[in-house]
Amino acid sequence: QVQLVESGGDVVQPGGSLRLSCTASGFTFSDYVVHWVRQAPGKGPEWVALIWYDGNTKYYASSVKDRFTISRDNAKKTLYLQMNSLRVEDTALYYCARDSPPRAANYYFADWGQGTPVTVSS
Amino acid sequence: DIQLTQSPSSLSASVGDRVTITCRAGQDISSYLNWYQQKPGNAPRLLISSASTLHSGVPSRFIGSGSATYFTLTISSLQPEDFATYFCQHSYTIPITFGGGTKVEIK
Repeated sequence: QVQLVESGGDVVQPGGSLRLSCTASGFTFSDYVVHWVRQAPGKGPEWVALIWYDGNTKYYASSVKDRFTISRDNAKKTLYLQMNSLRVEDTALYYCARDSPPRAANYYFADWGQGTPVTVSS
Repeated sequence: DIQLTQSPSSLSASVGDRVTITCRAGQDISSYLNWYQQKPGNAPRLLISSASTLHSGVPSRFIGSGSATYFTLTISSLQPEDFATYFCQHSYTIPITFGGGTKVEIK
């Protein structure tokens, strides 16, 4: 079955950096667009970034553009999110999510991981 | 950015009730509207895509409808496992945005 497992979340000071990972299994990772979606405590989800199946197209939310970088390694079936210049407002549970169907970008989230927590605090 | 406004923000209902949640878009998004259910401690779960297409494994009591700027999610007969928070999300363009959520509570 489809599995997405995030890791790398931590407590970091404002201005710091962190790299999140999401390891996929149960499907052909290289065929799917994948996203990062975050959810601050008590708030609704917020889309963060997406990357196409071939890694050549990436989009970002304006709140993270120029600070976060999404990337993927299809051979390792892993999605990454490099987060720099972190702010208190970046505190959230970060999910990776799979688009659907394969080889298409429908911009919805058919499958989710369990999330990894990021806390930005001094 | 396309704003999605959900109403109500919360509601109380009983098992067996018919419940309708509304999502209004700030501009015409055709049928590019999706619905999710989220229970405490869990990731959101896709219920409906493209306004009315039931996702695999989702019970048929969940019904999505609408187009352009007005969309609804109806639960035809509320079950105990349906008490949760529901979010709409558009997939019309980038950036993708979500509605503020509707919490369905037990009456």
